[in-house]
Amino acid sequence: AQSVTQLGSHVSVSEGALVLLRCNYSSSVPPYLFWYVQYPNQGLQLLLKYTTGATLVKGINGFEAEFKKSETSFHLTKPSAHMSDAAEYFCAVSDSGFQKLVFGTGTRLLVSP
Amino acid sequence: GAVVSQHPSRVICKSGTSVKIECRSLDFQATTMFWYRQFPKQSLMLMATSNEGSKATYEQGVEKDKFLINHASLTLSTLTVTSAHPEDSSFYICSAITNTEAFFGQGTRLTVV
Repeated sequence: AQSVTQLGSHVSVSEGALVLLRCNYSSSVPPYLFWYVQYPNQGLQLLLKYTTGATLVKGINGFEAEFKKSETSFHLTKPSAHMSDAAEYFCAVSDSGFQKLVFGTGTRLLVSP
Repeated sequence: GAVVSQHPSRVICKSGTSVKIECRSLDFQATTMFWYRQFPKQSLMLMATSNEGSKATYEQGVEKDKFLINHASLTLSTLTVTSAHPEDSSFYICSAITNTEAFFGQGTRLTVV
């Protein structure tokens, strides 16, 4: 069975600071990995995904994530936080392509001026 | 890019009544759609897989007679919450997939009073 662990339900950064949101997963097969962002009372928007190939994945809005198989991690980073980045971020894993995603519990990113 | 539209975005209903939520893929055909449920401050949990022209597949612990799913066309899946109770109050999100991505609807906030 797959699972996702997101360390830290809340992460606070100052505007312009590095953003690091942690995600560890477990999967018995090579996984597909995803990061989604959710704004209040809205659906999910895909930030980036890892399927195969290059382990450093670049997404929208300046975010990127690196798939590290040895560490079973897929941490999300952004060099410089912007106020508009404040939202809920979900890491997800799937062993069946884009079907039946298993989500982590989410991390709320707070950005202060 | 592909868009999934969910309607309504918010609904308030009385206890004991039924509520229907629609999920449409606007510019692609989706033989399979997924319904997720999100409790306050928690992650998304897969409820069921909606298959066009056949019965939905429900995850363990999800009552199929309470959460009726119909996928009558390649662009529309509906979730009907029957005999709703306050504990059914939640955020419901649908997803449709292509070969390269899982797209999510905007979500429906259901409040049962």
